[in-house]
Amino acid sequence: NAGVTQTPKFQVLKTGQSMTLQCAQDMNHEYMSWYRQDPGMGLRLIHYSVGAGITDQGEVPNGYNVSRSTTEDFPLRLLSAAPSQTSVYFCASSRDRGGQETQYFGPGTRLLVL
Amino acid sequence: DAKTTQPPSMDCAEGRAANLPCNHSTISGNEYVYWYRQIHSQGPQYIIHGLKNNETNEMASLIITEDRKSSTLILPHATLRDTAVYYCIALKYSGGSNYKLTFGKGTLLTVNP
Repeated sequence: NAGVTQTPKFQVLKTGQSMTLQCAQDMNHEYMSWYRQDPGMGLRLIHYSVGAGITDQGEVPNGYNVSRSTTEDFPLRLLSAAPSQTSVYFCASSRDRGGQETQYFGPGTRLLVL
Repeated sequence: DAKTTQPPSMDCAEGRAANLPCNHSTISGNEYVYWYRQIHSQGPQYIIHGLKNNETNEMASLIITEDRKSSTLILPHATLRDTAVYYCIALKYSGGSNYKLTFGKGTLLTVNP
């Protein structure tokens, strides 16, 4: 049982490039979410999903797309990277569809946009 | 969700109990108190949560005052690996309508040898 895994661990992009941050969980959790964490700030919710085929926007969704074709995977796509998207990205999952039970976080992806 | 207030930093000697306070004076009756921690460069980790009764698990104890306006997280025998930022979060448990954990700035606990 690997929990929540994220790849890559670190990525450097140039402005305008696109990429996909991968997130997978093997706990059969319904709820998955993406957060970003910037220096001196708390975690901010980008997008979340309450089950396969269902996604919704969080607090800071602009510039990001998500999809949930399977229960296990929840990739985050940056369509056209901007320096403001330099951040640490965390994926989380929870058994509860409302995300209110214990959330399990991945190790994070550090993204630098030049 | 109610706002929580925590001291920005605390120190604790290794082997001693670490008592981390949290004020949540505007908490409503259906809001739980959750504690998470984040060790440097890692993802947040769930510790414990409670509504109004004191709770204990293998990691920590949570003491909630009778009026529920404040709580204390207790790490009974702190180790160097407990050095982390600890977040106190008030979260409404309302059957699926709240999808966001709001992390404030938390308390940086430094456990000293």
